[in-house]
Amino acid sequence: DTGVSQNPRHKITKRGQNVTFRCDPISEHNRLYWYRQTLGQGPEFLTYFQNEAQLEKSRLLSDRFSAERPKGSFSTLEIQRTEQGDSAMYLCASSLVRLAGGYYNEQFFGPGTRLTVL
Amino acid sequence: AQTVTQSQPEMSVQEAETVTLSCTYDTSESDYYLFWYKQPPSRQMILVIRQEAYKQQNATENRFSVNFQKAAKSFSLKISDSQLGDAAMYFCAYPFSGTYKYIFGTGTRLKVLA
Repeated sequence: DTGVSQNPRHKITKRGQNVTFRCDPISEHNRLYWYRQTLGQGPEFLTYFQNEAQLEKSRLLSDRFSAERPKGSFSTLEIQRTEQGDSAMYLCASSLVRLAGGYYNEQFFGPGTRLTVL
Repeated sequence: AQTVTQSQPEMSVQEAETVTLSCTYDTSESDYYLFWYKQPPSRQMILVIRQEAYKQQNATENRFSVNFQKAAKSFSLKISDSQLGDAAMYFCAYPFSGTYKYIFGTGTRLKVLA
């Protein structure tokens, strides 16, 4: 399967604990996005990478959140000192953007990691 | 600022019938794409159909088609011959130019009745 994968699929943690999620994008994709989706809402943008560079972070991404994409391959999203408000589905998506031309940008999504903070 | 609005939280359709999901958006850009994504229960989001704003012709993908009204900033999705497998959340998405991050609507839950 060459799609976007995310691990773990589910994570239950206690308030105050740290958690880390992993996303493996489609191998040739240079862009990687993280979104957060709460029940009954559409996904909201958190951050994105162009290769290994993190180019934008949403104001939703507090100081407790950090994301990395070493070597422009997989990405991790870490939440420190989790709070109950962090409970959500965390989605990863990747795309291939050719900056030299064309605007077309279809993002391919992973299955998400559902986080529950008790 | 760009916004995307889906005003139908839930829709129902009989199997084999046609249903239309609404989406309106706001942007000051003239050239852009719009997308409809489907999110089945407990499964990942997949692209249903895309529309290029500079193309006047409405996009069609098998049973799925759009009614794109650029001046009205409306982008509705029509599903013909609805099937049980069409039951899902449907999201309208607008990508920001440059970053291409998506702004999503709040989604429409589609129920297909046998």
